[in-house]
Amino acid sequence: KAGVTQTPRYLIKTRGQQVTLSCSPISGHRSVSWYQQTPGQGLQFLFEYFSETQRNKGNFPGRFSGRQFSNSRSEMNVSTLELGDSALYLCASSLEGTRSGELFFGEGSRLTVL
Amino acid sequence: AQTVTQSQPEMSVQEAETVTLSCTYDTSESDYYLFWYKQPPSRQMILVIRQEAYKQQNATENRFSVNFQKAAKSFSLKISDSQLGDAAMYFCAYRAYSGAGSYQLTFGKGTKLSVIP
Repeated sequence: KAGVTQTPRYLIKTRGQQVTLSCSPISGHRSVSWYQQTPGQGLQFLFEYFSETQRNKGNFPGRFSGRQFSNSRSEMNVSTLELGDSALYLCASSLEGTRSGELFFGEGSRLTVL
Repeated sequence: AQTVTQSQPEMSVQEAETVTLSCTYDTSESDYYLFWYKQPPSRQMILVIRQEAYKQQNATENRFSVNFQKAAKSFSLKISDSQLGDAAMYFCAYRAYSGAGSYQLTFGKGTKLSVIP
């Protein structure tokens, strides 16, 4: 069974550009969450999607957005990139967004903003 | 807002020895789950162990066990017979209902565990 796949794995952008990251969850998983991981702030919740609907959003500016498609694949977009957006972006999927549900993480997309 | 605190940024342990990683959390909820996740260098994060707040018995998974003290809001991870493959960042995490059908995971800052041969 294939795991959570994130693309691209590495990317470099310059300030002001925008970026789109993709996440393919484990087959059958309908919940997809996104996290930003930085050395200073640790892991911070961005948003969660379930059946193409955003159910929850973390405390991030509107430059961060996302969506989920009917096949549960998800994308997140960051517009007008800032240096502080450099981070590892992790996607996680679960069967459904339950309290006890295990999250399965992808290897992440490492974004560097110059 | 819920917070998770891991007070040990780094720890080390001799191979085959036992190590305990600390975690405390703050919440007003009574129904929640606690997790320990492991993130090896340049590899994906995986679940090590989970504990339901309503269960008094401490969870155990092979060499990994927890000491869950609900009143003290403490959730420590004990790794017995440490192996080289245990070297990783360990994250304590808390999960509870956050509205609109969503259960948000809140992570601590992590503890970097080194295993000395």
